[in-house]
Amino acid sequence: NAGVMQNPRHLVRRRGQEARLRCSPMKGHSHVYWYRQLPEEGLKFMVYLQKENIIDESGMPKERFSAEFPKEGPSILRIQQVVRGDSAAYFCASSPRSTGELFFGEGSRLTVL
Amino acid sequence: AQSVTQLGSHVSVSEGALVLLRCNYSSSVPPYLFWYVQYPNQGLQLLLKYTTGATLVKGINGFEAEFKKSETSFHLTKPSAHMSDAAEYFCAVSVIGAGGTSYGKLTFGQGTILTVHP
Repeated sequence: NAGVMQNPRHLVRRRGQEARLRCSPMKGHSHVYWYRQLPEEGLKFMVYLQKENIIDESGMPKERFSAEFPKEGPSILRIQQVVRGDSAAYFCASSPRSTGELFFGEGSRLTVL
Repeated sequence: AQSVTQLGSHVSVSEGALVLLRCNYSSSVPPYLFWYVQYPNQGLQLLLKYTTGATLVKGINGFEAEFKKSETSFHLTKPSAHMSDAAEYFCAVSVIGAGGTSYGKLTFGQGTILTVHP
């Protein structure tokens, strides 16, 4: 029974490049969330998606960040023109219904040089 | 808006000693409350949750937490610490929306790193 799968686990980008982080939710889960964990901080909500719909993106930075969860395939968090402040661990979580009980992936750690 | 405060960013106990990790929350509506644990370089794992009903909730690995509305607290305890309990612990709150539902937009505390000494 595979858990939430995230890839890549580690990603290094230079300033100005694009970062794409992928998340495959647990089987049967149609609700996907992205959280960001900055050094020495707790997790911060970014976005909540269901298949083909963004439900709540109130935590997403206004520029450079976007997320999608297409009908087929994984959810993708895209960061354009990365800056050093984007260096963080990005966690994806899924749930089978609209509930606070989340199942987290192991995270994707982005380092911007 | 809701918020979570975890008192003590680092807690150190001896193996076999009581573990107490403190969490206070702020919410204008009845919250759902959670404790998650994070081992190094891993994702978060749910320890326990409070939604409604009994205020003392039991979770995995011998942990439990008590919801105290009057104190707006949800402290996590374990009677006897084990070396394998060393990890970072996060308290989180989600807000119950219309219709009594809650979704996974959680507000996390800043975490408490638990160290267990032999």
